[in-house]
Amino acid sequence: KQEVTQIPAALSVPEGENLVLNCSFTDSAIYNLQWFRQDPGKGLTSLLLIQSSQREQTSGRLNASLDKSSGRSTLYIAASQPGDSATYLCAVRSSYKLIFGSGTRLLVRP
Amino acid sequence: EAGVVQSPRYKIIEKKQPVAFWCNPISGHNTLYWYLQNLGQGPELLIRYENEEAVDDSQLPKDRFSAERLKGVDSTLKIQPAELGDSAVYLCASSPETGWHGELFFGEGSRLTVL
Repeated sequence: KQEVTQIPAALSVPEGENLVLNCSFTDSAIYNLQWFRQDPGKGLTSLLLIQSSQREQTSGRLNASLDKSSGRSTLYIAASQPGDSATYLCAVRSSYKLIFGSGTRLLVRP
Repeated sequence: EAGVVQSPRYKIIEKKQPVAFWCNPISGHNTLYWYLQNLGQGPELLIRYENEEAVDDSQLPKDRFSAERLKGVDSTLKIQPAELGDSAVYLCASSPETGWHGELFFGEGSRLTVL
């Protein structure tokens, strides 16, 4: 059974800092991995989608990497801003299921 | 382009009452999903449609939950009767591709409170 874990559960950083969010999964047989952002009381906004054949994807200040063999993905946020404050969720697609982690709650302090 | 539209955004009902949520996916998206999200947790799949066919409803509590997507476009999720433990956010998502390779796009969600 696929399990997805995100560490840390919460993170507080000063504005301008580069940071890394971690996602690990137990079954390496995945189709793809997707990172989402969720603002309080809102739905999920797709940030990056990495197919199983890819190693990384970039969008603006965001870079997501995927290492299937070790069951890990990281989301790198460069030069963080207060507007980046939100919960970040990773979701792994395997065995016809999309399994979510519990998310990392990020606070970027001005 | 309009995103995934859900209604109502908020619903408060007493236990044992029925409730229904509506979802209109992004135009042209064949695959539609209903997810349940409890506070502080990631979403969990309830049901997945490819066009009008429910291809994965293994996690839908069929004694009280039902869903339909009659014309392969918009969808309705119903709970009857609601229980206290059903209080959660119900998220709808759609994808332009069938199967599990496409990117998912989510709506704002419908927050249910059962008193």
